[in-house]
Formats: sequence, C-alpha cells, structure tokens
Amino acid sequence: KAGVTQTPRYLIKTRGQQVTLSCSPISGHRSVSWYQQTPGQGLQFLFEYFSETQRNKGNFPGRFSGRQFSNSRSEMNVSTLELGDSALYLCASSPGTQQGIDTQYFGPGTRLTVL
Amino acid sequence: AQSVAQPEDQVNVAEGNPLTVKCTYSVSGNPYLFWYVQYPNRGLQFLLKYITGDNLVKGSYGFEAEFNKSQTSFHLKKPSALVSDSALYFCAVRDITGGFKTIFGAGTRLFVKA
Repeated sequence: KAGVTQTPRYLIKTRGQQVTLSCSPISGHRSVSWYQQTPGQGLQFLFEYFSETQRNKGNFPGRFSGRQFSNSRSEMNVSTLELGDSALYLCASSPGTQQGIDTQYFGPGTRLTVL
Repeated sequence: AQSVAQPEDQVNVAEGNPLTVKCTYSVSGNPYLFWYVQYPNRGLQFLLKYITGDNLVKGSYGFEAEFNKSQTSFHLKKPSALVSDSALYFCAVRDITGGFKTIFGAGTRLFVKA
C-alpha cells in the first residue's frame, strides 16, 4: 500500500500571503489529521477530518482551515501568513473508525517558510 | 487535561548497549499511548502502542515499551542499540475527552555512538 503523500514538500511564502497544502491518505483511510511542528512548540494538533467533515479541532486561529474531499484527500489552508507560521506541517492518516485507538500514519510533511 | 512528558531532551548510549527513552503521562480514564520516531526531514513513523492487555508491548525495529499504571509511565526500550536508531522519539497520548486528538511529548533525541 502506498503511504501518506503530501505536496508540496517545500514552500516559501511572504507575510500576508496565503498557502494551500495537500495530503493524500493511505487508501481506505477516511480520517486525515493535520499537525504543526516547530522547534519551540513541538507537535501541535490543528484539526481532523473524517468523511468530509471536521470532527476535531485544536487551538489555532481561524486563519488555519481545512477541508476533505470525497476521496478522503485533504487540503489545509493558511491565510494571511505570519512569520510564526513557518513550520513543518504534517498530515496523518488513519482508518478513523476507532478514534481512541486508531494508529495514525504520517506523511513526510510540508516545510513552510514565511519570509 | 491529558498530558505527556518526556523528561530527557537527549539520551546518549553506546552501540550494543540497552537504551531507554522515558515517558510519563497524565490522563483521566484509560490511557491510549503511542511511540513514534522521526528521522531528519521525515515524518513520524509509528513504533508501537498500548491500548489494553499485556503491559509489555512489542513494536517495530526491535523496540518495546513497558506500561506501568502505578508510575504512570510508558518507557521505550531496546535491548541493543544501533547507530541507525539515532533519531527523535515522541511519546503520545490519545486525548478522548471532549473529542479525540493526539497529544505529543516534546520529544527525546537519541544519539547512539559507535
């Protein structure tokens, strides 16, 4: 089975711009979660989508949004970029049917740099 | 609130020696615990998880973890370290209160010296 894929792998943007990141989960997985990884804050949960609906949400401002398509692929959008948004954005895929115990499988991440 | 702590920023061990990466947790209810490893410029790779049952969980690449309820710990272990085990290790707990999300520890960097 193919793993989780994320595109693009690297992005450079300037403050005020917006960006869209894409994630394709493992075939058959219906849940996609997004995480932000920074040296200072570590790994922080952004949100989770399951069957095209946002099921869980972390504590990030409304500039961070996402969506999921009928084929389970997910996109994450960040509007009005700030310098502090520079991070590695990780997508995780899981079956989604047993929220407590499902194993999440991570993609390689998208490295976003905001100048 | 659910939380997980990794008390060591870095662990150094010689190749061939046993290694331990520590993790303690705080949860209300049953703990669902995970270990992941991250290599440079890569995403996280799943190693093992504890849901219920046997306190010793065996995972990928020869790693195992021991769940200790009384000490609220879930330490990662390997009997004989390899240089290739050098990486960043994350302990995580699944927060099932008010929705489901995974909370990660700060990470422990493991250096295995030849």
